[in-house]
Amino acid sequence: DIQMAQSPSSLSASVGDRVTITCRASQSVRNYLNWYQQKPGKAPKLLIYSVSSLESGVPSRFSGSGSGTEFTLTISSLQPEDFATYYCQQGYNTPRGITFGQGTRLEIK
Amino acid sequence: QVQLVESGGGVVQPGGSLRLSCVASGFTFSTYGMHWVRQAPGKGLEWVSLVWYDGGNKYYVDSVKGRFAISRDNSRNTLYLQMNSLRVEDTAVYYCARGLLYGDYRMDSWGQGTLVTVSS
Repeated sequence: DIQMAQSPSSLSASVGDRVTITCRASQSVRNYLNWYQQKPGKAPKLLIYSVSSLESGVPSRFSGSGSGTEFTLTISSLQPEDFATYYCQQGYNTPRGITFGQGTRLEIK
Repeated sequence: QVQLVESGGGVVQPGGSLRLSCVASGFTFSTYGMHWVRQAPGKGLEWVSLVWYDGGNKYYVDSVKGRFAISRDNSRNTLYLQMNSLRVEDTAVYYCARGLLYGDYRMDSWGQGTLVTVSS
């Protein structure tokens, strides 16, 4: 199976900060990389698909980039509603083995 | 709008069985793949299973193979997960999610989840 590793595991930041979360794959996943946001007690929500495509309704302060084995999720100017946990997910080794990163918890400083 | 509503969770003893359901509305259920994804308390997301739009192909994470069975009834817009030989480590919130069956296999809509607790 393809392993996904996110860094950092947790992050403290302030409203207005620019934040970057990294996701690394144990082998190339081409551009089949998605990002989800999860708030406490809620279901995950798709944010970005295929590395850099914004899901409908997601604010433009979110962006994604990368290719192959290294990917980033960037929030250009943190808003209070962005404090949540973020997960990457690879869709390359599918459908046999869909895997998520371990998550990055974004907290208010 | 797309809506997915899970049910069937509860408390069960180790070795027991449970069947989860997920009722879909707001889209053409029979044209989408459907996933089960779980989240143990305080932990991250773990993909569990995927069923093809027509029920023809089914896939599982290794840890549930031979114990869990995914199925769907397109006439009832309902997804199921039959869970047998349950273990303490199966304790989690179980989410159903709508999935694309090509490219990045993204999961673009999720239910609110149902809690399964395996405990003696």
